[in-house]
Amino acid sequence: EAGVAQSPRYKIIEKRQSVAFWCNPISGHATLYWYQQILGQGPKLLIQFQNNGVVDDSQLPKDRFSAERLKGVDSTLKIQPAKLEDSAVYLCASSLDSSYNSPLHFGNGTRLTVT
Amino acid sequence: GNSVTQMEGPVTLSEEAFLTINCTYTATGYPSLFWYVQYPGEGLQLLLKATKADDKGSNKGFEATYRKETTSSHLEKGSVQVSDSAVYFCALQGAQKLVFGQGTRLTINP
Repeated sequence: EAGVAQSPRYKIIEKRQSVAFWCNPISGHATLYWYQQILGQGPKLLIQFQNNGVVDDSQLPKDRFSAERLKGVDSTLKIQPAKLEDSAVYLCASSLDSSYNSPLHFGNGTRLTVT
Repeated sequence: GNSVTQMEGPVTLSEEAFLTINCTYTATGYPSLFWYVQYPGEGLQLLLKATKADDKGSNKGFEATYRKETTSSHLEKGSVQVSDSAVYFCALQGAQKLVFGQGTRLTINP
């Protein structure tokens, strides 16, 4: 099966600019996640969708980050305006459902550098 | 909420050495435990999982037991290869979603 697709692979922007990331999950996966992975740390959940509804966005900095999953398939994550501390790898993942036993499948991530 | 702590790295071993990476956790309810691996330049991949107490997961020569009595899981491999060089993450998946440890970087020298 095709894996989780993410683009772009790398992005360099200046602070206060905006940026958007795109994710296409595995076909048939109802649950989609966006994680932020800062260098040397484990991934941190930003937002979780079940189909096209938000299940958990408690750690999403909503003053600057937004995400949507139109039609319950592809998703975009936007940062506006970016700060230096947003430099990280942004990982998209999907799973068949949100049950405890359903493992996540990750994309290769987008490495964001904010200068 | 759930939390996961991994042994500090980096860990450097010679090829064919025995590997142990330690993970301890605090949890409410009955989460499932996963080990993920991240090879250089790639996303995270599921390595193995254990869904209930004292379950043992195994894959690619790696094994880990989900020990609820000691709230720990130790990832082991009897003979590591250079290709095992990667970052290994312990994670709990429960009502509070998937929570990762900070990862342990493993380097295997030929």
